[in-house]
Order: sequence, then structure tokens, then C-alpha cells
Amino acid sequence: QQQVKQSPQSLIVQKGGISIINCAYENTAFDYFPWYQQFPGKGPALLIAIRPDVSEKKEGRFTISFNKSAKQFSLHIMDSQPGDSATYFCAALETSGSRLTFGEGTQLTVNP
Amino acid sequence: DGGITQSPKYLFRKEGQNVTLSCEQNLNHDAMYWYRQDPGQGLRLIYYSQIVNDFQKGDIAEGYSVSREKKESFPLTVTSAQKNPTAFYLCASSISGQGDLDEQFFGPGTRLTVL
Repeated sequence: QQQVKQSPQSLIVQKGGISIINCAYENTAFDYFPWYQQFPGKGPALLIAIRPDVSEKKEGRFTISFNKSAKQFSLHIMDSQPGDSATYFCAALETSGSRLTFGEGTQLTVNP
Repeated sequence: DGGITQSPKYLFRKEGQNVTLSCEQNLNHDAMYWYRQDPGQGLRLIYYSQIVNDFQKGDIAEGYSVSREKKESFPLTVTSAQKNPTAFYLCASSISGQGDLDEQFFGPGTRLTVL
């Protein structure tokens, strides 16, 4: 039972373009939504995260948009670079608990 | 250097053999986690521990066992009961295992192949 659905499974973008990855969740008790970046052969690393009391959070070229009523959130990578090529995972957490629920992952390729 | 180490990076075993994956952290974190990663399925939680000598099952604990005898170590044993053990295994740790400020830090992973 996948509580966080992520799309697309793979994404190819040209250098300088915008990469958009979407996630949807069902559990309304989730109240913290991090995104992780994983390079091949490495463990994931926290990229950016948002709480549902804000609709958008921006850190450099990375922006999370959050729609609480639709139970959806997305990652936007502006001016995508070849070095951004990685697998991206969205996740969700009930802060009363301790377990992250991950989406299926999106493999991003940015062509030079 | 502070961090999480997993060994070995690659592991090959014959079907029916138990195998133990190592995870060590020197971050002084209380909580540790084991995830399994398969293509197209994201990360799935196997076991987690918030304190020494205590651990809880995650979503896919069947066929796996863990121990937490020391704060810095959380080894995972993949038993012969695990029907499809070939996967990439990730260990993580966090300060307390509670709340949204409790970032999980991941190790580099162990790729297990069962022949």
C-alpha cells in the first residue's frame, strides 16, 4: 500500500529547463514533506522540506509547492543542470511518529 | 570524519544462506533505520531502533532480523526466509527518531545479490 504516489518515474530535461516532479498523499496526518536526492551508488540526502502551513518554499534553484486541499506537493528545479541528474524521492512524515513514507522515486536526466 | 558506514559495498551470497550487513555511525545518534530500495518502489522501511536494546518492525520486516546492542551499530541479517533478498540496502540514522527536525542521514548502501 503506497501512501505517497510520485510521478513521473523518469524525466529527461534539457540544460536550463525546468524539472517538475509531483507527489500525492492520502494520509491527512502527514505534516512534514521532505525531498531527497540520490546519486548513483550513494545514499539519499535531504534536499529541501516543507510543512503544510506554507504553500511554497524556495532554496536556490529548488522550490517545493504545496497544495494542502489537493493533498499534493511538487518539486521544481529551475535552470536544471547536468549535475542535477539523480533520483529524487518525495517523502512524508507524521511528526507525532518517527517513520518516513517515501514515494517511488523519479530518475532525472538533464542533457547538456 | 563523522558519518555512517556500511560494509561491504557489494555482497554476493548463495540462496539459502543468511547474511549480515553492517551499519556503523559515529554521529552519536539515538535512532537508526534499515531500508530496502528496489527499482520503481522507492525506499521501504525494514526495521528501526530509537534506543539501544530496542527496535520495531517496519513495513517489510519478514525475513529480516536486527540487533541494537551498541548505540553506534545496527546490523541487519537477511535470513533464508526472505524470498527475494536481492536489493540495495540503506542504513540511516537520526538524532532522536522523533519530529520533523530529526533529519535522517543515510549511509552509502550495500548491494546484495543472491545467486
